Amino acid sequence: NAGVMQNPRHLVRRRGQEARLRCSPMKGHSHVYWYRQLPEEGLKFMVYLQKENIIDESGMPKERFSAEFPKEGPSILRIQQVVRGDSAAYFCASSQTGTTWYEQYFGPGTRLTVT
Amino acid sequence: QKEVEQDPGPLSVPEGAIVSLNCTYSNSAFQYFMWYRQYSRKGPELLMYTYSSGNKEDGRFTAQVDKSSKYISLFIRDSQPSDSATYLCAMTSDLTGNQFYFGTGTSLTVIP
Repeated sequence: NAGVMQNPRHLVRRRGQEARLRCSPMKGHSHVYWYRQLPEEGLKFMVYLQKENIIDESGMPKERFSAEFPKEGPSILRIQQVVRGDSAAYFCASSQTGTTWYEQYFGPGTRLTVT
Repeated sequence: QKEVEQDPGPLSVPEGAIVSLNCTYSNSAFQYFMWYRQYSRKGPELLMYTYSSGNKEDGRFTAQVDKSSKYISLFIRDSQPSDSATYLCAMTSDLTGNQFYFGTGTSLTVIP
């Protein structure tokens, strides 16, 4: 059973470009979470999605950031017009519906560098 | 005040030592408590989870939760160099809208 997949693992963008980060949850998992991690800081919640629905996006900046989890295909975190402050590691986690919904499994992350 | 506080360390111990990692939290609604291990430039790996108060043991790892003190601990017995990593605590509740709150992580080095 493959774990959570994220791609690309490393992404370099110039200021003003768009960044698209992809996440495929574990098989059987229908909950996806996106987090951002900066050096010396913990994981910061950004958004929680289920298939075709954004459940909680309270941690995501209102401008330039969006997320989706379509019926088919991976979840995508999109950052438009990137700025240097967006440089960070972005992690996706998934969990399954039911009594173990709190067991999150993380992907390897995408390291975004904005030049 | 942060929801979750964790001493960042770094913590350095000799091989075979008992390691104690701790987190405190402010929200009494938290019910589920997790510990993650994160190696450098990797994703966090779920180590253990506990519901409400009490102890849970898994091999060399023991997780403790004291809800009255809002304090959780992870103990590692017979520590190994392969345990060298950053350890993150996390917590959530049915009442927090599925939001998970993480500590900043404690960096641990086990010296052979």
